[in-house]
Amino acid sequence: GIQVEQSPPDLILQEGANSTLRCNFSDSVNNLQWFHQNPWGQLINLFYIPSGTKQNGRLSATTVATERYSLLYISSSQTTDSGVYFCAVGGTALIFGKGTTLSVSS
Amino acid sequence: NAGVTQTPKFRVLKTGQSMTLLCAQDMNHEYMYWYRQDPGMGLRLIHYSVGEGTTAKGEVPDGYNVSRLKKQNFLLGLESAAPSQTSVYFCASSPSGGPGKPQHFGDGTRLSIL
Repeated sequence: GIQVEQSPPDLILQEGANSTLRCNFSDSVNNLQWFHQNPWGQLINLFYIPSGTKQNGRLSATTVATERYSLLYISSSQTTDSGVYFCAVGGTALIFGKGTTLSVSS
Repeated sequence: NAGVTQTPKFRVLKTGQSMTLLCAQDMNHEYMYWYRQDPGMGLRLIHYSVGEGTTAKGEVPDGYNVSRLKKQNFLLGLESAAPSQTSVYFCASSPSGGPGKPQHFGDGTRLSIL
């Protein structure tokens, strides 16, 4: 099956810093989504991005499908950005990576 | 607008007991999914459905059964609970029209098997 690897596993930032999270996957996919799980456990869909670049406020994502990786950029981080960021790939059914745990302190 | 609602939110079972987790969505979505989340493992797909009356196996289907009798509901059953099934269970739904539609998640059910 498809393998999904996320890096780094943990990230600690000061408020206002920028960060880049990476997702590598082992096979061609037609579905790639980024999710944020907040400290209360709720999962929020951030992006559907099997290729190209999208932006939503301080967050943006880029997927290079031919090289099988995706990047999630967080600019001017805030404490509310803390939580776990998951990349998930596949088709109708998604395979999740193990996530990147982000801690933003004020 | 409730979105995806999971019932119950917490449950403690004894080994060998059975139970059913209910997922209900009010967005008229065709696709529904059940995941489990264990520490350090991310989310793993148990079963999913692409429409009323259909079900399919995911990554970790053993020990679970599902039913989609109504479009808005997706039930996950544990016939004989085992301690290895202690986990947080998430339900999600997405619209039809291809695999790229965003999945919307419920708030989870925390299940402990003693």
